[in-house]
Amino acid sequence: DSGVTQTPKHLITATGQRVTLRCSPRSGDLSVYWYQQSLDQGLQFLIQYYNGEERAKGNILERFSAQQFPDLHSELNLSSLELGDSALYFCASSAQGDGTYEQYFGPGTRLTVT
Amino acid sequence: DQQVKQNSPSLSVQEGRISILNCDYTNSMFDYFLWYKKYPAEGPTFLISISSIKDKNEDGRFTVFLNKSAKHLSLHIVPSQPGDSAVYFCAASARGAGGTSYGKLTFGQGTILTVHP
Repeated sequence: DSGVTQTPKHLITATGQRVTLRCSPRSGDLSVYWYQQSLDQGLQFLIQYYNGEERAKGNILERFSAQQFPDLHSELNLSSLELGDSALYFCASSAQGDGTYEQYFGPGTRLTVT
Repeated sequence: DQQVKQNSPSLSVQEGRISILNCDYTNSMFDYFLWYKKYPAEGPTFLISISSIKDKNEDGRFTVFLNKSAKHLSLHIVPSQPGDSAVYFCAASARGAGGTSYGKLTFGQGTILTVHP
């Protein structure tokens, strides 16, 4: 158990809908990262937050947004969902936000868009 | 443009022997490298890391070697055990690049390791 929690575990929704994925980092960790793992793309970095502020951005679609709250949990919002958004979404956390500490991953949320 | 490559999709090893997983990278800004293990339906689990100022790091049965001139790293598992059977991901970070590179990990495609009893 990495100490990172993600809810829900599974999500099935229809095209065009909007969903919110939630992540609670390990106790004491200030930085949260979101990754997407699809069958053909491997693990792709989406976005990073550090102590409530956006720190780094990857190839995140404009339909996707995220935020980190004062209690340090984070939410990833996916809107106008398309079939191609079906993937595993992982959250990770680290003590700091500058890559000097290893990232610990949650169990993931499996999103299926039908 | 795949900056981190694991060219072997799979590796099969006998229990007790050495497993060697390889990873190549192209971005010379990468200065921190990590290996993760992943079981089905679980998140990646951190195994071991190495900074670019070192060429070797050991932790129990796991050793990571870094060859900066060749832009190559490898993970050695000795002795291999059936419980090591999983997907292994190599990841890299450009910590010194600052700016928008902070903390971002770039992953390889993974290598499926199977350790036979």
